[in-house]
Amino acid sequence: DTGVSQDPRHKITKRGQNVTFRCDPISEHNRLYWYRQTLGQGPEFLTYFQNEAQLEKSRLLSDRFSAERPKGSFSTLEIQRTEQGDSAMYLCASSSSGTVNTEAFFGQGTRLTVV
Amino acid sequence: RKEVEQDPGPFNVPEGATVAFNCTYSNSASQSFFWYRQDCRKEPKLLMSVYSSGNEDGRFTAQLNRASQYISLLIRDSKLSDSATYLCVVNLASGSARQLTFGSGTQLTVLP
Repeated sequence: DTGVSQDPRHKITKRGQNVTFRCDPISEHNRLYWYRQTLGQGPEFLTYFQNEAQLEKSRLLSDRFSAERPKGSFSTLEIQRTEQGDSAMYLCASSSSGTVNTEAFFGQGTRLTVV
Repeated sequence: RKEVEQDPGPFNVPEGATVAFNCTYSNSASQSFFWYRQDCRKEPKLLMSVYSSGNEDGRFTAQLNRASQYISLLIRDSKLSDSATYLCVVNLASGSARQLTFGSGTQLTVLP
């Protein structure tokens, strides 16, 4: 499978616990994005990497959220001290360098439920 | 005001109908535009890019009006398999960063 891969697909955690999600982009893609989607809404941008550099972070990304892409390949998104409001689908996408019309390919997401 | 606004629907149409979705965006500096399709509990997938001259892909036609900051998607001869949520997406490029801003989506159900 050469698409974007995310792990785990589902995560249930207790409030206050830390969680970490992993994203493996399409291998030749140097751009990687994290989005969050809640029911009835479109995905909301969280952060963006070009290679290993984190170039942009949304104001949605509070201090409890951190993302890394240490070798410019896979990425991790960690949420510390989870809150019920963090419950959402976390989507990763990747794209290659190119024109502004370059397509972003999404993974199937990690569905987080905070209880 | 949301950066990308769509009519949430739902649109319930019979097979074979023609249906149109509209979308407006607020940032006049937006550089590129897309329609994505998202099936229930699945990831978004690119349906088509939207070009200034308008473009067509089979039964799907997309239009862009930069002056009015308006995007549309027309689906002709709708099929049951067209049932999904259609997301209007705008690239709000800022410097070297590329990020996609999504509307909330328009839900379409094609009925037999």
